[in-house]
Amino acid sequence: AQTVTQSQPEMSVQEAETVTLSCTYDTSENNYYLFWYKQPPSRQMILVIRQEAYKQQNATENRFSVNFQKAAKSFSLKISDSQLGDTAMYFCAFQDQGAQKLVFGQGTRLTINP
Amino acid sequence: EAGVAQSPRYKIIEKRQSVAFWCNPISGHATLYWYQQILGQGPKLLIQFQNNGVVDDSQLPKDRFSAERLKGVDSTLKIQPAKLEDSAVYLCASSSNRDISYEQYFGPGTRLTVT
Repeated sequence: AQTVTQSQPEMSVQEAETVTLSCTYDTSENNYYLFWYKQPPSRQMILVIRQEAYKQQNATENRFSVNFQKAAKSFSLKISDSQLGDTAMYFCAFQDQGAQKLVFGQGTRLTINP
Repeated sequence: EAGVAQSPRYKIIEKRQSVAFWCNPISGHATLYWYQQILGQGPKLLIQFQNNGVVDDSQLPKDRFSAERLKGVDSTLKIQPAKLEDSAVYLCASSSNRDISYEQYFGPGTRLTVT
């Protein structure tokens, strides 16, 4: 069974700083997808960024980028120029290409301070 | 395009009572998921439907939880009888078979408190 581990329960940075959230996973599969989701206090899960395992190039979405290390089974999220609205829980998630279901990590609570 | 709808948003019940949650997925999405998110943890899949058939219910406590998806659209999740440890947020999500990565779109969730 796949597992996802987020080793940072909480992080806090100042507005405009850069922050990196860590995620490791365990799988024997070769084809899969990795996701970062944001969950603000409203509880709505919002997709931040997606990475296909077969792509060597790291995904980027505006201020959000990932560092995908397939051999190390590592998938970190970098938020540049952090904003107050980035304050939320962030979840790393794994999706087996065949199974479709998401396996989530425990989450990292990120606080952006003014 | 309307998102995934869920109701109610909040529910408080006493242990041993029953409760039901409703989910309406995005129009045209064949796959529907119910996740349980206990406070301080990541969501955990309870059940996955493909149209109106069950694909995965391996983590559904079948002695007290049940779910159905009539006509392959709306879905209801029921708990009977509820226990204190069922206090959690119940998230519904849906995805399209036309999306190669099966990206899931989540509803706002229902927060259940069992006292």
